[in-house]
Amino acid sequence: EAQVTQNPRYLITVTGKKLTVTCSQNMNHEYMSWYRQDPGLGLRQIYYSMNVEATDKGDVPEGYKVSRKEKRNFPLILESPSPNQTSLYFCASSPYSLGYGYTFGSGTRLTVV
Amino acid sequence: SQQGEEDPQALSIQEGENATMNCSYKTSINNLQWYRQNSGRGLVHLILIRSNEREKHSGRLRVTLDTSKKSSSLLITASRAADTASYFCATPANTGFQKLVFGTGTRLLVSP
Repeated sequence: EAQVTQNPRYLITVTGKKLTVTCSQNMNHEYMSWYRQDPGLGLRQIYYSMNVEATDKGDVPEGYKVSRKEKRNFPLILESPSPNQTSLYFCASSPYSLGYGYTFGSGTRLTVV
Repeated sequence: SQQGEEDPQALSIQEGENATMNCSYKTSINNLQWYRQNSGRGLVHLILIRSNEREKHSGRLRVTLDTSKKSSSLLITASRAADTASYFCATPANTGFQKLVFGTGTRLLVSP
């Protein structure tokens, strides 16, 4: 089944403890992206990647890192999480073309205390 | 920044009725997409309409696009309780392919 898999689904952590949210797609998509969704602020892009070893900042990249060493994987790294990073996170992928929609993962609900 | 604005913000209807939600955007677009999100879950791509198309159908969904008014509408016919969700329009950012910009969403409640 074509899908984007995110893990974990839920995560509660403490301020400053490094964490990684994994994202993997099995559709051979070139483009991958991370969004966060917050009440009243909607979906905002954190980082995106056009292909392997090609990543760039979105609208809200502060406090996050990403890497794209393999085409299928695009992990989101929070080096020192803070409470304002409590949010619902989504990974998405797409063929590199304006003619296609995104396939989203199921989301990761992160709480930083 | 959000390009799309959905209207209404919330819509409550009975099963069997039609649901119409609207989206307005600000800049010229290559395409416009609609997504559905069940509470707290990932977004699901419903339909994509290109800028040179005026109407597109997919099952019980009908999407229209009016580029002169910079607006789109999503019609769900014969609604079911399972259609209860939030619906978002999205357009490619005018800076290129780098991202989709999502609207604020319409929360649809379909009561049995």
